[in-house]
Amino acid sequence: GNSVTQMEGPVTLSEEAFLTINCTYTATGYPSLFWYVQYPGEGLQLLLKATKADDKGSNKGFEATYRKETTSFHLEKGSVQVSDSAVYFCALSGGSNYKLTFGKGTLLTVNP
Amino acid sequence: NAGVTQTPKFRILKIGQSMTLQCTQDMNHNYMYWYRQDPGMGLKLIYYSVGAGITDKGEVPNGYNVSRSTTEDFPLRLELAAPSQTSVYFCASSPYRQGEWDGYTFGSGTRLTVV
Repeated sequence: GNSVTQMEGPVTLSEEAFLTINCTYTATGYPSLFWYVQYPGEGLQLLLKATKADDKGSNKGFEATYRKETTSFHLEKGSVQVSDSAVYFCALSGGSNYKLTFGKGTLLTVNP
Repeated sequence: NAGVTQTPKFRILKIGQSMTLQCTQDMNHNYMYWYRQDPGMGLKLIYYSVGAGITDKGEVPNGYNVSRSTTEDFPLRLELAAPSQTSVYFCASSPYRQGEWDGYTFGSGTRLTVV
């Protein structure tokens, strides 16, 4: 079956530091890949997505590239802000499937 | 545009009580889902529905029931609350998958404590 593995948190950074959150996946076929963000006390929101190999999703300064050869979709941001403090979830949907499989989430705290 | 609306936001139940978590979406989405979120465990799918009158079990359905009588509403029923059901519950919806698909739209969650 499908599965998503994210790096364990929590991750604590200073403002303007570089961020990487690792995500690898197992899936049959050609899944679509997603990053969701959950701010404190809120539901999850779509941050970015990629639907085929070598696609780069980007939004709000975050980027992730769909790497089929390494089955990875790592999230990166060049300079984090305090407002980026949240839980980040990697997720996949296999083929034409309408269900998402989520990783366990990574808590990011950015200090001023 | 309200999106996905969940009520209540917080609830404390005693063991053995029952309750219904409400979920409504106004985007005419075909698919709806219920997840629970436990600390450090990510999101686990409880039940889902592909349209009015059609529901199916997810990974962790025991202790829960659902119904989908309309496209808009997808309530989750807890019949005999147990401490293991203490969690944050999220409802989500998505459109029929054709071409580009943006995944789910989530509600803001219901925090349930069973004591």
